[in-house]
Amino acid sequence: EVQLVESGGGLVKPGGSLRLSCGASRFSLSDSWMSWVRQAPGKGLEWVARITSKAHGGTTEYAPPVKGRFTISRDDSKNTLYLQMNSLKTEDTAVYYCTTDHKYWGQGTLVTVSS
Amino acid sequence: QAVVTQEPSLTVSPGGTVTLTCGSSTGAVTSGHYPYWFQQKPGQAPRTLIYDTSNKNSWTPVRFSGSLLGGKAALTLSAAQPEDEAEYYCLLLYSGAGEVFGGGTKLTVL
Repeated sequence: EVQLVESGGGLVKPGGSLRLSCGASRFSLSDSWMSWVRQAPGKGLEWVARITSKAHGGTTEYAPPVKGRFTISRDDSKNTLYLQMNSLKTEDTAVYYCTTDHKYWGQGTLVTVSS
Repeated sequence: QAVVTQEPSLTVSPGGTVTLTCGSSTGAVTSGHYPYWFQQKPGQAPRTLIYDTSNKNSWTPVRFSGSLLGGKAALTLSAAQPEDEAEYYCLLLYSGAGEVFGGGTKLTVL
């Protein structure tokens, strides 16, 4: 069964940076469209960023609230997806999920932005 | 950015049928939005029920079905079970403009 495991969450001050990772087992991330989705405490799901499969050029797209601050990338040799988050704001506080083709989901990693 | 709308809450009786809908501020929802439906229970990650309007994953109970209805995407639950009580989210893909989740529908089975 496909497994996705996120890591890298934690507490960071406003203006700080954090890099999330999403490792996959029994699945090649390069063959999929991968996304990061977040969920603020007590709120709904919010799409954050997407990277297309290698066959589709690995192009990226971002939600307006994170464009210019977050970068999604993939290391095919490590079968790992990343989300580099810079200039973090308190409103970025959320559980961050990675998902492949919106089919398989990880369990999420909590990012808390607070002074 | 587009706004995707869902009913905030719905109630269905055990064994009953309910339809959740997903609309777009840009106009009619079509198959070109590749509508997805997800189920999320408290403390759990989302689980994908429906993709590309009406396709099911291997784990999707047969009582769930997806369709387009009156310019919206729809998720119909037939013969509701107590374990179907959850939050349901739709997702629409906008060509060249990313993806947008609806606000979610809290479904109560009572």
